[in-house]
Amino acid sequence: GQQVMQIPQYQHVQEGEDFTTYCNSSTTLSNIQWYKQRPGGHPVFLIQLVKSGEVKKQKRLTFQFGEAKKNSSLHITATQTTDVGTYFCRTGGFKTIFGAGTRLFVKA
Amino acid sequence: DGGITQSPKYLFRKEGQNVTLSCEQNLNHDAMYWYRQDPGQGLRLIYYSQIVNDFQKGDIAEGYSVSREKKESFPLTVTSAQKNPTAFYLCASNFGPENSPLHFGNGTRLTVT
Repeated sequence: GQQVMQIPQYQHVQEGEDFTTYCNSSTTLSNIQWYKQRPGGHPVFLIQLVKSGEVKKQKRLTFQFGEAKKNSSLHITATQTTDVGTYFCRTGGFKTIFGAGTRLFVKA
Repeated sequence: DGGITQSPKYLFRKEGQNVTLSCEQNLNHDAMYWYRQDPGQGLRLIYYSQIVNDFQKGDIAEGYSVSREKKESFPLTVTSAQKNPTAFYLCASNFGPENSPLHFGNGTRLTVT
């Protein structure tokens, strides 16, 4: 069945450094979504990518969908303490698949 | 404001007892979902419902039951058959199609001792 691997599992950065998390699938994806979960909170939808090679930006966040639609990345430029949390990718239909998440720690 | 309400936020139960977690949404969403999250883990799908009076098992349905008698409500019962029920339970909803983003409730943290 479809599997989604998200790496790294954890990332510690100094405030101001960049951060990237990757989501890799064993099969071609129809679309991919990214969510952020703050510590103690619930996941919040960030963005959806649908087209091959698509790139979307939200302020300091850049989202990419691979040409083969098997992988995706989320890049944060110049991290801030407000970026702390766990970032998840999600794909699939009703029986959706979430990546295990990348937990970001930012040291001020 | 529209949203998803889960109650209670914290729930404590003794082993062997069934417990029901509430989830109500006023977003007019057709589909609703229950996820389980363990510390430092991702989200695992328990059950989902695409429409009233219909629901499907997710990846970890054993020991859980649901009902969908109303569009707005999707309660989850954690039965005594669930071997490790202590976890963070998240309810979500969307308009149903694959591309529709999920909206989550604030979650219920269940502790069974």
